[in-house]
Amino acid sequence: QVQLQESGPGLVKPSQTLSLTCTVSGGSISSGSYYWSWIRQPAGKGLEWIGRIYTSGSANYNPSLKSRVTISVDTSKNQFSLKLSSVTAADTAVYYCARVLTISLHFDSWGQGTLVTVSS
Amino acid sequence: DIQMTQSPSSLSASVGDRVIITCRASQSISNYLNWYQQKPGKAPKLLIYAASSLQSGVPSRFSGSGSGTDFTLTISSLQPEDFATYYCQQSYSTPWTFGQGTKVEIK
Repeated sequence: QVQLQESGPGLVKPSQTLSLTCTVSGGSISSGSYYWSWIRQPAGKGLEWIGRIYTSGSANYNPSLKSRVTISVDTSKNQFSLKLSSVTAADTAVYYCARVLTISLHFDSWGQGTLVTVSS
Repeated sequence: DIQMTQSPSSLSASVGDRVIITCRASQSISNYLNWYQQKPGKAPKLLIYAASSLQSGVPSRFSGSGSGTDFTLTISSLQPEDFATYYCQQSYSTPWTFGQGTKVEIK
């Protein structure tokens, strides 16, 4: 059974770049059956889709974040990554990585989530 | 962006109750509608995909219906482990968007 695990700094200073990695185990990130995605959730609030990437490296982003977001994939390490630049306190949230089945486009597996706080 | 609106935002119910949560899309999304359950401090868990398909391992008391713009999630007999927040999500077009959530609390 596939497992996803987020990793990265839990504290980022304002104006800096947030960087997170999602490591996939129990399955290959190179499978053509899935997209790999990031979602975030501020404390006490709802879920916001950040973007997705396919194994080929083709990515789509939420327009609300597009100018600041980069998602990349490293098939040799079975990982995909998120970079969010010029962060502010509004980017403080739990960040989840998730797998998306391409046929029906639902998030079928999620990481446990990692809290990133933006503060000086 | 497609806006997803859930109702109610919260509800109180007793064990054994039938619970219905609705989700409305701002435009037609065919059946590209998924439902998730989230418990405090945990990642969301997929319950229903493609509006009415039950995810493997999810109890049959959960069911989904609808197409176009109006969808429902039904819990036929609420169990203690079902007290959680439920989210709908459209995958018809990017940016994929979620409803604001419905918190199911114990009466």
